[in-house]
Amino acid sequence: GAGVSQSPSNKVTEKGKDVELRCDPISGHTALYWYRQRLGQGLEFLIYFQGNSAPDKSGLPSDRFSAERTGESVSTLTIQRTQQEDSAVYLCASRPGQGLSEKLFFGSGTQLSVL
Amino acid sequence: AQSVAQPEDQVNVAEGNPLTVKCTYSVSGNPYLFWYVQYPNRGLQFLLKYITGDNLVKGSYGFEAEFNKSQTSFHLKKPSALVSDSALYFCAVRDQNSGGYQKVTFGTGTKLQVIP
Repeated sequence: GAGVSQSPSNKVTEKGKDVELRCDPISGHTALYWYRQRLGQGLEFLIYFQGNSAPDKSGLPSDRFSAERTGESVSTLTIQRTQQEDSAVYLCASRPGQGLSEKLFFGSGTQLSVL
Repeated sequence: AQSVAQPEDQVNVAEGNPLTVKCTYSVSGNPYLFWYVQYPNRGLQFLLKYITGDNLVKGSYGFEAEFNKSQTSFHLKKPSALVSDSALYFCAVRDQNSGGYQKVTFGTGTKLQVIP
């Protein structure tokens, strides 16, 4: 596709359940970022992937959060044993990679609601 | 560690007046600086960036920003505000000298309200 695609667009889950969020970056983009945006707040960095390098996981808030990316393709963000404070919009962004354009291209996000 | 501060949660400006949205940053090396805009129910869109060179950067929709190294600021400006500029604006920074560490840090956002 032409842009960054995220699915699902909305996810409602019960406290304690696991959820998996998906991000399809723009083809050829080697760098991929996940951010969290709580209602009325700014973007909170979660994790960064660059090609086959080790990811920067410094923003993951707890060990309930994990993310994977195979090569330069799809990424999944998994939240285990969801809590109400996990409710937020989860945003994915990609860019061409090191030494190229610094502009981030964002997806429309996944709105996660934990009941 | 790198950080961004947007000191104003909200800025109100009358249509046709000039607008300024403030941003200050902190990095250990030289910064890459960005502004993004988030319209209601839409994703974040890139507005402009500073990489190197001219301190005054021009971007989309008539916006511009001025890099001030001594004040570590990168304020967003527009000479004449439009009602359609009402949105949430985010400043972001990345350290140019970070090597493989390419985390982009965003500010908390400033809501711009342009009053007709």
